[in-house]
Amino acid sequence: DIRMTQSPASLSASLGETVNIECLASEDIYSDLAWYQQKPGKSPQLLIYNANSLQNGVPSRFSGSGSGTQYSLKINSLQSEDVATYFCQQYNNYPYTFGAGTKLELK
Amino acid sequence: EVQLVESGGGLVQPGRSLKLSCAASGFTFSNYYMAWVRQAPKKGLEWVATISTSGSRTYYPDSVKGRFTISRDNAKSSLYLQMNSLKSEDTATYYCARQPYYFDYWGQGVMVTVSS
Repeated sequence: DIRMTQSPASLSASLGETVNIECLASEDIYSDLAWYQQKPGKSPQLLIYNANSLQNGVPSRFSGSGSGTQYSLKINSLQSEDVATYFCQQYNNYPYTFGAGTKLELK
Repeated sequence: EVQLVESGGGLVQPGRSLKLSCAASGFTFSNYYMAWVRQAPKKGLEWVATISTSGSRTYYPDSVKGRFTISRDNAKSSLYLQMNSLKSEDTATYYCARQPYYFDYWGQGVMVTVSS
């Protein structure tokens, strides 16, 4: 199974700040990587797919990058509504696997 | 508008069975792979099952293989998850998701609690 190691586990940032979340795959996943946002009590929502493609309706302050085994999610100009837990997920091979999540809070 | 609505959750004893349903609307259901993803309380996300457009191919992780069965009825735009021999570690919120490769739409989730 492909292991997805996500960091940091938690993050505290100020409004307007830029935030980076990392995801490391245990083997090459050829950019078959998605990022999801989950707000408390809600279902996950797709932010990014194919490592760097923005899902329709997602604000442009969210961006994804990476290749091979290393990927990152960047949030520019942090807004209050971005407080959530973020998960990465690989879909290169079954079993599909998720990172453990990054809980983002406001400082 | 894409909508996925799960039902069928509840409290069940260990070793018993439960069947979840997901009603889909707002898209051509038969054109998409579909999946179930679960989340144990205060935990991360775990993919549980995937089914192909026709239902001829199914995929499971080892944690549920042989106990869970995913199926679909394209005429009814419905997805199902039959869960047998339930264990306490199956306690989770179960989400139905559309799967073009990643999971682009999710339902609101249904809670399954396995406890005596």
